[in-house]
Amino acid sequence: DAGVIQSPRHEVTEMGQEVTLRCKPISGHDYLFWYRQTMMRGLELLIYFNNNVPIDDSGMPEDRFSAKMPNASFSTLKIQPSEPRDSAVYFCASLRGRNTEAFFGQGTRLTVV
Amino acid sequence: AQSVAQPEDQVNVAEGNPLTVKCTYSVSGNPYLFWYVQYPNRGLQFLLKYITGDNLVKGSYGFEAEFNKSQTSFHLKKPSALVSDSALYFCAVRDDNYGQNFVFGPGTRLSVLP
Repeated sequence: DAGVIQSPRHEVTEMGQEVTLRCKPISGHDYLFWYRQTMMRGLELLIYFNNNVPIDDSGMPEDRFSAKMPNASFSTLKIQPSEPRDSAVYFCASLRGRNTEAFFGQGTRLTVV
Repeated sequence: AQSVAQPEDQVNVAEGNPLTVKCTYSVSGNPYLFWYVQYPNRGLQFLLKYITGDNLVKGSYGFEAEFNKSQTSFHLKKPSALVSDSALYFCAVRDDNYGQNFVFGPGTRLSVLP
């Protein structure tokens, strides 16, 4: 398996623009997570899905952030409008079952200028 | 809610010496504990986990960790450090009372000096 695939790897955008990050989980995994990593706040869970249904979105910072999982093999994280403080590395992770580890993608480094 | 502490921002150790990276946790239910490693510009890689059973868990690349329920700790250890072990290490916990919410510690940067 190719692992969790995220795109793009790097994104530079201007403040106010819409940004869409994409994730393809490992085939057969029924949980998908979106994390954000910054120097100041470390790794923060934004939202996670089980069988394509959002279970916990309490970590989504504000209404500018939204996430969808239209099918078992694809998820998006959208920021609209983007702000400089959204600059971070965004990770997607997936797992199968309950007592297992999560597998992480390579991350998307977002820079909002 | 669950939480994880990694009391050391940085650990320095000489190559060939044993290393320990500390982790303590707080949960209300049963803890599921994990260690991950992150190399520069890479995602997190799974090292090992404790779910149940033997308190000493062995993982990838010669790493092991010991679950201590009374001290609520899950320290990562390796008998002989390599320069290539230099990276950022994260401890994570999942509380079975809170679904699949993995909470990560702040990370500990390990530097192995030749």
